Amino acid sequence: QSVLTQPPSVSGAPGQRVTISCTGSSSNIGAGYGVHWYQQLPGTAPKVLIYGNTNRPSGVPDRFSGSKSGTSASLAITGLQAEDEADYYCQAYDTSLSGWVFGGGTKLTVL
Amino acid sequence: EVQLVESGGGLIQPGGSLRLSCAASGFTVSVNYMSWVRQAPGKGLEWVSDLYSGGSTYYEDSVKGRFTISRDNSKNTLYLQMNSLRAEDTAVYYCARVRSPGAAFDHYYHYYYMDAWGKGTTVTVSS
Repeated sequence: QSVLTQPPSVSGAPGQRVTISCTGSSSNIGAGYGVHWYQQLPGTAPKVLIYGNTNRPSGVPDRFSGSKSGTSASLAITGLQAEDEADYYCQAYDTSLSGWVFGGGTKLTVL
Repeated sequence: EVQLVESGGGLIQPGGSLRLSCAASGFTVSVNYMSWVRQAPGKGLEWVSDLYSGGSTYYEDSVKGRFTISRDNSKNTLYLQMNSLRAEDTAVYYCARVRSPGAAFDHYYHYYYMDAWGKGTTVTVSS
C-alpha cells in the first residue's frame, strides 16, 4: 500500500487528453514541498517529467502539465501519442516518515 | 553529459551481503544530494536511502540498520552496502541525483527532485 494513491491504470485514444491523479495527506503533498512526476517507459529507468508541481525540465513536451491542490496533485497529458504508453509515478517528501514517498504508479495505455 | 552507472547486483542468499556501486560522470557526487531507489519485480518505486552533500544520511525504515549509503570522492562513486539481505530486498536498484528546483530552494532539501537516474542493477535474494 503506497503512501500516495494513484489509479492503477488509465487509457485514451491518440490525440485525447488524460489525467492521472495522486492523492496524499497533510504530511506529504499537503506539506507543500512540491510534487514530482516520473515517466518510466517499458524496461527503462524513470525519467523526471514534472518537478515542483508544475515545472517541466527542458526537453519535456508541453503536452505534459502538472497541477496541485491541497493534498492532491494531477498530471495531464494532451494530444496523446503512442510513445506516451508508460508507467507514471508521483513523488513527494513525507515529513512524518522523514523520507521520499511515491505513488503506486499508473499504467497509461494508448488505445 | 550527466551519467550514472550502477553495478554490483547479483544473486545472493538470504542473510548475505552485497555492495552496490554507482559511478557518476558529468558532475561531482560529493557536492550533490544522491539517492538510492528500488523497484521490486512488477512493483512501483520505493525510496531506499539518501546521502546529502554535507554527509547526512537517511534510510527507509525497512533497511535501517542493514543498509549503509556512502561515497568515495576520489572515484566519484556512490555506494550502497547491503547486509542481512532478505527476499523482500529483491529489486532493481537505481541511483539518482537529487537536484534543487531553483536557487531559492537550495537550502531546503525537501523541495528537491530526482533529475538523473542510472539504468539500475538487479539484486535477487534467494536460496
